Amino acid sequence: GENVEQHPSTLSVQEGDSAVIKCTYSDSASNYFPWYKQELGKGPQLIIDIRSNVGEKKDQRIAVTLNKTAKHFSLHITETQPEDSAVYFCAASSPSGGSYIPTFGRGTSLIVHP
Amino acid sequence: KAGVTQTPRYLIKTRGQQVTLSCSPISGHRSVSWYQQTPGQGLQFLFEYFSETQRNKGNFPGRFSGRQFSNSRSEMNVSTLELGDSALYLCASSPDMSGANVLTFGAGSRLTVL
Repeated sequence: GENVEQHPSTLSVQEGDSAVIKCTYSDSASNYFPWYKQELGKGPQLIIDIRSNVGEKKDQRIAVTLNKTAKHFSLHITETQPEDSAVYFCAASSPSGGSYIPTFGRGTSLIVHP
Repeated sequence: KAGVTQTPRYLIKTRGQQVTLSCSPISGHRSVSWYQQTPGQGLQFLFEYFSETQRNKGNFPGRFSGRQFSNSRSEMNVSTLELGDSALYLCASSPDMSGANVLTFGAGSRLTVL
């Protein structure tokens, strides 16, 4: 089955700095890579996603890059703000039984210091 | 547009009891999936339902079961509870169009087993 590794597990930055979270996956059949943000007491919320036919996608301060050959994908947050503090999860979705099932990374706790 | 609603939000059970959790998906979403989130194992896929049929199942014992009703609402049941079943149980719905779908998560049901 799919295996997703996510690093780092904790990331501490100063407000205004950039933050980068990296993930690797193992199943070459995976073709959808979402990123979720989870705040305390809430469920994960999709913040950006990328499909395998695209190498990069940007949405304001957030960008995701995908290298299918190396099976790497990364989340980049620029100009971090205290409200970006949360746990971030990457996932790789592979086809199964007529659907796509995500395998999640273990999460990165991002702390943005004012 | 209402989000994914999970009930109850918090519950406490003792070992050996059973529990039923409920999930109401976003209107029009036909696929409902369930996940277990724990500090030790992270986010793990339990099962996915579509049109009242289980379409995919994760690697969990038979004590974990679920069902989906004709209005797409779903329930999951855990029988003979063990201490290790203490977790946040998350439900997610998706529209199930072709290709990998965007998941929208609920806030979760936090189960504590004593």
